[in-house]
Amino acid sequence: NAGVMQNPRHLVRRRGQEARLRCSPMKGHSHVYWYRQLPEEGLKFMVYLQKENIIDESGMPKERFSAEFPKEGPSILRIQQVVRGDSAAYFCASTAGTGGKEPQHFGDGTRLSIL
Amino acid sequence: DAKTTQPPSMDCAEGRAANLPCNHSTISGNEYVYWYRQIHSQGPQYIIHGLKNNETNEMASLIITEDRKSSTLILPHATLRDTAVYYCIVRVAGRDDKIIFGKGTRLHILP
Repeated sequence: NAGVMQNPRHLVRRRGQEARLRCSPMKGHSHVYWYRQLPEEGLKFMVYLQKENIIDESGMPKERFSAEFPKEGPSILRIQQVVRGDSAAYFCASTAGTGGKEPQHFGDGTRLSIL
Repeated sequence: DAKTTQPPSMDCAEGRAANLPCNHSTISGNEYVYWYRQIHSQGPQYIIHGLKNNETNEMASLIITEDRKSSTLILPHATLRDTAVYYCIVRVAGRDDKIIFGKGTRLHILP
């Protein structure tokens, strides 16, 4: 039973380029959460999505960041015109949406480095 | 902000029980206590959760005080692989909300 899969594991971009991070939730899970972890800091919530809907984007920066979770395929976190401060580990978690009865299961993250 | 307070770091000898405390004095009646850990370079791993009764699974035990204002995570026989940052989190029951992580406790298992 595969867990949450994130790819790529490592991504290097130059300033001004675009970064696309992908997350495939666990089988049967329709709720996806994205978190960001800056170096030597804790995880910070970014966005919560269900299939084709953004439920809570209170942690997303207002510019350059967007997220989607289409009907088919993985969830995508997109960062446009990356800057050095975007260097971080980005983690995705998923649940089946059972009203909090089960924990969120996390992937091993994408480590984004901006040159 | 996180609703929990944890010591920033702890040491434990390999083979001994590791007892990690957590204060959550403002916890509400409908909030669960969850524990996650993050081993270096990996994503957070769920350990255990509880509402008011003590809980045990294959990884750990969770002891919640009667007034629910604090709890202790117990790793019964710590190994070097248990070295990680441990996060104590409170979450409202019945909702699929985001997790608010605090700074956690960095547990060092000493050989």
